[in-house]
Amino acid sequence: AQSVTQLDSQVPVFEEAPVELRCNYSSSVSVYLFWYVQYPNQGLQLLLKYLSGSTLVKGINGFEAEFNKSQTSFHLRKPSVHISDTAEYFCAVSGRGNKLVFGAGTILRVKS
Amino acid sequence: DTGVSQNPRHKITKRGQNVTFRCDPISEHNRLYWYRQTLGQGPEFLTYFQNEAQLEKSRLLSDRFSAERPKGSFSTLEIQRTEQGDSAMYLCASSSDPGQGASVYGYTFGSGTRLTVV
Repeated sequence: AQSVTQLDSQVPVFEEAPVELRCNYSSSVSVYLFWYVQYPNQGLQLLLKYLSGSTLVKGINGFEAEFNKSQTSFHLRKPSVHISDTAEYFCAVSGRGNKLVFGAGTILRVKS
Repeated sequence: DTGVSQNPRHKITKRGQNVTFRCDPISEHNRLYWYRQTLGQGPEFLTYFQNEAQLEKSRLLSDRFSAERPKGSFSTLEIQRTEQGDSAMYLCASSSDPGQGASVYGYTFGSGTRLTVV
């Protein structure tokens, strides 16, 4: 079975500052890892995914994440955030093509 | 293909009524998933289909819930005798078979159906 822990429920940050949203997972098998973004009253939009290969994954909107197998982490980063990045972000794990298991989410609040 | 489509977007129903939601996946995706998301939580897995076969059901899916995917295309999720605790966003997602290649593999979510039971 897999599980995901998002270490921060809310992250406030000023516009143009860097941000890191933390995600740790546990799994007994090899996994695929994902980050999704959700704007109010909308579905989930895929930011990026790690399936195999390079541990640094680049996604949309300037986001990137690094897979660290030894630390079982998949933290999301952006070097300079915008007001429009304000949303809720979900980390998720999948055991080789099966269902997604989500974390509880991190609300990113970008302040001007 | 315009992505995963869910209907209706919003549904308000009285307690005890039955409701049915529909999901139209991306046409080339053979896997379809239903999730439920309550306020302040991440989505929770309910069930998934590979083609028309329902392969897994969560313990969250009580006997008042039933899902179908006839002919392996669209899917419906029915809730019978709704309760206030059923109020949530119901999300549908589809994906390709990971055996088709890691570069194309990924889940696409619909915009969800928000259910309010009054």
